Parts: sequence; C-alpha cells; structure tokens
Amino acid sequence: QVQLVQSGVEVKKPGASVRVSCKASGYSFFDYSICWVRQAPGQGLEWLGCISVSSGNRHYSQKCRDRVTMTTDTSATTAYMELSGLRSDDTALYFCSRGVGATGRGWFDSWGQGTPVIVSS
Amino acid sequence: SYELTQPLSVSVALGQTAGLTCGGSSIGTKDVHWYQQKPGQAPVLVMYGDSKRPSGIPDRFSGSNSGNTATLTISRVQVGDEADYYCHVWAGGIEVVFGGGTKLTVL
Repeated sequence: QVQLVQSGVEVKKPGASVRVSCKASGYSFFDYSICWVRQAPGQGLEWLGCISVSSGNRHYSQKCRDRVTMTTDTSATTAYMELSGLRSDDTALYFCSRGVGATGRGWFDSWGQGTPVIVSS
Repeated sequence: SYELTQPLSVSVALGQTAGLTCGGSSIGTKDVHWYQQKPGQAPVLVMYGDSKRPSGIPDRFSGSNSGNTATLTISRVQVGDEADYYCHVWAGGIEVVFGGGTKLTVL
C-alpha cells in the first residue's frame, strides 16, 4: 500500500534551517508529485509547494518561495523539504503528501504522518 | 489571492445529514477536493474532483459544486465522522488554497 514516512521532530533556533524527509513506498515514485503542507498549532492547513518527481519542476507558495527548497532523491524514493531563515511562526506540523494530476493542480491522496518543527530560542 | 470560506463549526444530530460548505468566487468552475482530519492525525482525502469518492470512503459521503459554493454532504452521520474538514482548490497559476476548515460535531 502507499506509504509516506517522514523524519522525526526537529527543534531549531531562529535563523536556522531545517530539512524534513519523506520516504515513499508502495507505488511508482516517478508517476506522482510530492506536495508539502504545514499546520501551525490549532490552525488550518497551509500549502507550501509541490515538486514533480519525473520532471523536477517545482511550484512554491508565494509566502515561502524565498525560503523553501524541495528536492527528491529518486534512487531512495525520498523527497525533502528545506526551510531556511526559520522564525517562530514557522513552528508547525509539516506534512508531505502524494499529489495526483499536474503538479500542484490536483488532489493529495496520501499523506505522511507529519513532522513537528519547533522554532525556539 | 483566492480565498475559500468555511464555517468554523457545524453540529448535527447522530444519524442526520450534515452539509459542509466551502465558498469561493466562481468556485463552480474549479475542481474542489475535501479532506477529513481527526485530532492528532494526518488529513485523509474524502472527496476529489467535486464529487468523486476515493476507495474506502463510504457512500454516505457525497459532493457537489456550483456557482460560488461547494458542498460536502455526509448522510447518516456517525460519531466517527467527528473531525475537521478542509476544502482545497487549485486557484490557477501556482496558487493552491485550503479553506480554513470546519469542525463537525455530532450531537
């Protein structure tokens, strides 16, 4: 079955960078995109961006585009999301998901378990 | 930027029908997707392309989309349906938007 398994909790200081991984299994990694969504404590879902595994094309949200980088390692069927210049309002649960359809234009049909990122001095 | 509006909360009696709305300008021209999120869990896709159910989602869940409102309808509501529900669209260009979410309470 489709599985997305994410890396564990991260605690970072303001200004630092964080990299979250998302290991995919149970499907053809090349046939879908990987999209990242975060959820601040007690808040709703916020889209960060998507990356096409096959083409490498990336679409980032306007809010984070200057600080976020999404990559994939196809040999390891793993996707990565790096966020730099961390601020306290980046504290959130970060999810990876499998994107169906054209990159960023479809739906997200499977999700990882989420990675807590805590930004604190 | 495009905005999706969802009521903060909806309450429905056990066994009745719940209609969860998602408002947006001409949303009827876009594909709307819905996710269910229970406390401490990742979201789960419950509807895509306005009215298509993923495998494993009961047929008590249905969707519609027209004009400025999309609706997720849950018939014969069960206690296990209590959750937050989020609508989601691709708004064009590189803009992907989630609604603010609706907390469904079963009475």
